[in-house]
Amino acid sequence: AQTVTQSQPEMSVQEAETVTLSCTYDTSENNYYLFWYKQPPSRQMILVIRQEAYKQQNATENRFSVNFQKAAKSFSLKISDSQLGDTAMYFCAFSDNAGNMLTFGGGTRLMVKP
Amino acid sequence: DSGVTQTPKHLITATGQRVTLRCSPRSGDLSVYWYQQSLDQGLQFLIQYYNGEERAKGNILERFSAQQFPDLHSELNLSSLELGDSALYFCASSVDVQGAGGNTIYFGEGSWLTVV
Repeated sequence: AQTVTQSQPEMSVQEAETVTLSCTYDTSENNYYLFWYKQPPSRQMILVIRQEAYKQQNATENRFSVNFQKAAKSFSLKISDSQLGDTAMYFCAFSDNAGNMLTFGGGTRLMVKP
Repeated sequence: DSGVTQTPKHLITATGQRVTLRCSPRSGDLSVYWYQQSLDQGLQFLIQYYNGEERAKGNILERFSAQQFPDLHSELNLSSLELGDSALYFCASSVDVQGAGGNTIYFGEGSWLTVV
């Protein structure tokens, strides 16, 4: 079974600064998918970014980018130019190639300070 | 708006009762997933249905059951409710093209269940 670990329960960053959230996972599979979801105070789960394990290029979505290190089984999320609206819980998630069920990490609570 | 619709948004019920949570997936999505988010346990996968059939099962209690109907909407039935069942229950859906993993999963806004 796959496991996903987020070692930072809480983080804070000043507005306009850059912050990196960590995620590690454990799997024996070679092909899989990784995701970051954002959960703001409204509790809605919002997809932030997606990475295919077979792609070496790191995914980028506007101010959000990932550092995917397959050998190290690491998948960190970098948020540039942090905004107050980025304040949320961030969940890292894993999906294997056979199905689409997501396994989530425990989450990192990010606070962006003005 | 993800396109996944869940009802009711909030529900308060007593211990021992039974409730049904309803989910309409995004148009065209064949897979429906149910997740439970408790305060202290993060997001736990409960069950997945694909085109009416159960595909994967997670940490779903025997007191809980689900089904997906021909029109692809799904219901999660929770019975003999206990205080510990209080949680946010998410429904999610994906296209789930056969043989292709990694389809993006879109979440509904969740159903808040409070058991008193």
